[in-house]
Amino acid sequence: DAGVTQSPTHLIKTRGQQVTLRCSPISGHKSVSWYQQVLGQGPQFIFQYYEKEERGRGNFPDRFSARQFPNYSSELNVNALLLGDSALYLCASSSPGSTEAFFGQGTRLTVV
Amino acid sequence: GIQVEQSPPDLILQEGANSTLRCNFSDSVNNLQWFHQNPWGQLINLFYIPSGTKQNGRLSATTVATERYSLLYISSSQTTDSGVYFCAVVNTGNQFYFGTGTSLTVIP
Repeated sequence: DAGVTQSPTHLIKTRGQQVTLRCSPISGHKSVSWYQQVLGQGPQFIFQYYEKEERGRGNFPDRFSARQFPNYSSELNVNALLLGDSALYLCASSSPGSTEAFFGQGTRLTVV
Repeated sequence: GIQVEQSPPDLILQEGANSTLRCNFSDSVNNLQWFHQNPWGQLINLFYIPSGTKQNGRLSATTVATERYSLLYISSSQTTDSGVYFCAVVNTGNQFYFGTGTSLTVIP
């Protein structure tokens, strides 16, 4: 079975641009969460979606937004990119009734 | 949010040695997971262990929820064990709180 898949794997953007990252959860999983990991730190929670509804939001500015589609895949959007948005963005999925999370390989975003 | 502290921050081992990584957390939790982050950034699930003890090959983990800590044991370490090990916890919501990780280097 396929694990959590994220696209693209790498991305380079210019300050001020907008970016969309994509995540497909494990089949049967309905919860998707997004995390940002900057170099040398542990991942930080951005959003959680369950059944297409936002269930949690971390301490990130409104430039960050997300949505979940009927097939449970998800997109993370970041507007007006800053150099500090350069990071590894991780997506995780969980099955209904479980808090055990499985992570994708991440998207490495570089803002220049 | 929950504070998660991992120790030691860095660890260098000779191949074949054993090690213990510790994770302390500041509040009661519903879930605790240990991950190994590979050089490409992916978080590999090692253990889902909100309480008790589990073993998987050379790795084992113990969580004492009442005392708010978890331990990850690595025996007979191999060079492929190198990487960063993270502990992450969930309390009443579904948000994971991660520690800052233990960077392990196993030298031949």
